[in-house]
Amino acid sequence: QKEVEQDPGPLSVPEGAIVSLNCTYSNSAFQYFMWYRQYSRKGPELLMYTYSSGNKEDGRFTAQVDKSSKYISLFIRDSQPSDSATYLCAMNRETSGSRLTFGEGTQLTVNP
Amino acid sequence: GAGVSQSPSNKVTEKGKDVELRCDPISGHTALYWYRQSLGQGLEFLIYFQGNSAPDKSGLPSDRFSAERTGGSVSTLTIQRTQQEDSAVYLCASSLATKDTQYFGPGTRLTVL
Repeated sequence: QKEVEQDPGPLSVPEGAIVSLNCTYSNSAFQYFMWYRQYSRKGPELLMYTYSSGNKEDGRFTAQVDKSSKYISLFIRDSQPSDSATYLCAMNRETSGSRLTFGEGTQLTVNP
Repeated sequence: GAGVSQSPSNKVTEKGKDVELRCDPISGHTALYWYRQSLGQGLEFLIYFQGNSAPDKSGLPSDRFSAERTGGSVSTLTIQRTQQEDSAVYLCASSLATKDTQYFGPGTRLTVL
């Protein structure tokens, strides 16, 4: 069983929709949680970074962490065609330095 | 400024050949990471360098894989006697220090025939 589970999709939504992306994890040692966005043939780029349970908002993006349920989410409001990409959740343990454990990634298409 | 660069962008090789993949991190970044991205697998950690400390090699899948970082800057990932299952995108990332944001390069797409 993978340490981090993420539905690979693909997910297709109309422009303006609210998108919900999710990951579950099994190891309670994970303390830091990130969302990366990866365009085709490009490297991942960091979107959101959270440490504690709760919500963090940045523009149209909201990251949510529920450590009790081992569940993290990324919400995208007013989605745009430019949001079409693969979204990867990532996390790491306090004791493992900086090595990140990633989910498989969810492929999102926003249709104009 | 310049981001993380990787070369070559694409590499096609025959089974059994050795390959070298190069990573140039962001100037001044002390930490450097290699990950592998395979279809259906997501990104898997391979190896991590931090300053002059011994690298964390715990993610290397076999002894055919090795990496070095010269002068605390450029890194080379070497795969010996390549196998078809080594086909993947190899991504390099660097960060200013441990636990800082990791910035990724565009990756090297390796195809082993």
